[in-house]
Amino acid sequence: DTGVSQDPRHKITKRGQNVTFRCDPISEHNRLYWYRQTLGQGPEFLTYFQNEAQLEKSRLLSDRFSAERPKGSFSTLEIQRTEQGDSAMYLCASSRASGRGSYNEQFFGPGTRLTVL
Amino acid sequence: GESVGLHLPTLSVQEGDNSIINCAYSNSASDYFIWYKQESGKGPQFIIDIRSNMDKRQGQRVTVLLNKTVKHLSLQIAATQPGDSAVYFCAESNDYKLSFGAGTTVTVRA
Repeated sequence: DTGVSQDPRHKITKRGQNVTFRCDPISEHNRLYWYRQTLGQGPEFLTYFQNEAQLEKSRLLSDRFSAERPKGSFSTLEIQRTEQGDSAMYLCASSRASGRGSYNEQFFGPGTRLTVL
Repeated sequence: GESVGLHLPTLSVQEGDNSIINCAYSNSASDYFIWYKQESGKGPQFIIDIRSNMDKRQGQRVTVLLNKTVKHLSLQIAATQPGDSAVYFCAESNDYKLSFGAGTTVTVRA
């Protein structure tokens, strides 16, 4: 257990429905990241927050995706009008802030596996 | 685009032998290179990292080698154990972003 928790662990939904996932990072970490991982592939970066500010969004994050971190603690990732191509594992990670030239380990949660029927 | 990838998708190792997992990268500007281990049903778990100005770094039973001339990264696991069975990813870090390769599945034979 890394200290990062995600809820739910599994979600099955029908195409066109909206889903929301939650991530609770390690409490002293001010950075929070979302990644998507499809079967057999490495995680792909989606977006990240420093405190409550969303600082970067990947091209993978279409208009149907939105992420929030309202109080700089937990974060939610919402997918509207889900499509079958959204089926994947959604991973959350957290870390301390790092400047260029230093690396602070990203601790990953167990992920939420989404299946869109 | 630039990416980090692994040479082999699978590796089968006899318990007690040493394992070597390889990775090729293309972004010379990356600050750090990291190895993660992912077991079934879990998120990636940090193993070891190496800064771009280093050639070698050792941890507990693991060694990471970085060859910047040929843009190659490797992870050596000493005395492989059944608990080492997992998918191993190399990743490169540029400040906030991790870019992962496709992974190598390591299976340890008893």
